[in-house]
Amino acid sequence: GAVVSQHPSWVICKSGTSVKIECRSLDFQATTMFWYRQFPKQSLMLMATSNEGSKATYEQGVEKDKFLINHASLTLSTLTVTSAHPEDSSFYICSATHPRYANTGELFFGEGSRLTVL
Amino acid sequence: QQPVQSPQAVILREGEDAVINCSSSKALYSVHWYRQKHGEAPVFLMILLKGGEQKGHEKISASFNEKKQQSSLYLTASQLSYSGTYFCGTEFKYTSNTGKLIFGQGTTLQVKP
Repeated sequence: GAVVSQHPSWVICKSGTSVKIECRSLDFQATTMFWYRQFPKQSLMLMATSNEGSKATYEQGVEKDKFLINHASLTLSTLTVTSAHPEDSSFYICSATHPRYANTGELFFGEGSRLTVL
Repeated sequence: QQPVQSPQAVILREGEDAVINCSSSKALYSVHWYRQKHGEAPVFLMILLKGGEQKGHEKISASFNEKKQQSSLYLTASQLSYSGTYFCGTEFKYTSNTGKLIFGQGTTLQVKP
């Protein structure tokens, strides 16, 4: 099956610093990737849709200036949490659609990145 | 807009059956089911695209009632490995075929020996 990889798998940072999380499609080209955030024991909340070569589309209530998304190539999307604060601590997960599985609509998820802001 | 899952949690003994429901207030294009173990990424179980569609793999199956805007996941003769949190992800008709999913709040399933 298709593989989506995230890096880092966990990160601890100080309040006020910025953190970058990478999401890579390892064996396919992903024109669209999705970023989700998940707080403990809660659901996956869609943050934004990342489109290669264009601006990301953010969901209502998600600050685009705080969560910067860049999809510079067909295999890489990055999420940068700027000026992170403790309330940004969460599990961030990306997903992508694979062209071969377009008919099934299956999403392939990365392993997730756990951010802890001190 | 978020679909509603029920029950929120269920505890089973090995070999027992369970049903998890997912209801939406908006017209659905598709329903996806995922299982997530603690600290891990969600794993795809199945997708239902057509009203009335039913699918299954081994002892896990699902149905999609398009008119009622709901889907149900059936776990038969549960195994310890079935433990985890189950999420339904819905794709609405107005965002169909975009891959954009809105997930329910999750149903935690615990299977005991």
